[in-house]
Amino acid sequence: EDQVTQSPEALRLQEGESSSLNCSYTVSGLRGLFWYRQDPGKGPEFLFTLYSAGEEKEKERLKATLTKKESFLHITAPKPEDSATYLCAALSGSARQLTFGSGTQLTVLP
Amino acid sequence: GAVVSQHPSWVICKSGTSVKIECRSLDFQATTMFWYRQFPKQSLMLMATSNEGSKATYEQGVEKDKFLINHASLTLSTLTVTSAHPEDSSFYICSATHIGQGTDTQYFGPGTRLTVL
Repeated sequence: EDQVTQSPEALRLQEGESSSLNCSYTVSGLRGLFWYRQDPGKGPEFLFTLYSAGEEKEKERLKATLTKKESFLHITAPKPEDSATYLCAALSGSARQLTFGSGTQLTVLP
Repeated sequence: GAVVSQHPSWVICKSGTSVKIECRSLDFQATTMFWYRQFPKQSLMLMATSNEGSKATYEQGVEKDKFLINHASLTLSTLTVTSAHPEDSSFYICSATHIGQGTDTQYFGPGTRLTVL
């Protein structure tokens, strides 16, 4: 059974304090590892797709990396507007649906 | 690109009535759409996979007679909550699969907040 685990559940950072969010996955035949951002009362917003170990993608203050067992979302010098829940999801084998982690709720304090 | 809309964004209804929620892919065609439910401070729970031109596939524990899904075109899927009760109050989110060069990517709608009185 495919599993995706995110840690920590919640993270509070001071503005400018860089950190990383972790996503561990156990899936059969990874076809894609996805990161989404979700603001309260809204649907998830697509951020990145990673396909193979060693791959990295960047967008503004966010950088996602992938190994054979984990993905990290690095946040550099975060701002309060980066506060949100970050969701990780895996697409495996012949599956059409994503397996989601439980999310990391990030709060960036001014 | 890859925009998904939902309508309505919120709805309040009386117990026993039915509510229809629409999910549209605005700038791409989607043979597969998904319907999720989300409770406060919890992650997304997949309810069903909506397939264009065929019956939806429901997850275990989801009542197909209560949550009717129709995917009549490549850009529209609807979820009808029949005979709604207060326990059906939740945040419902749809997603549509965009087929790209790398792999398929799910893009999500903004969600619909359903409150059943």
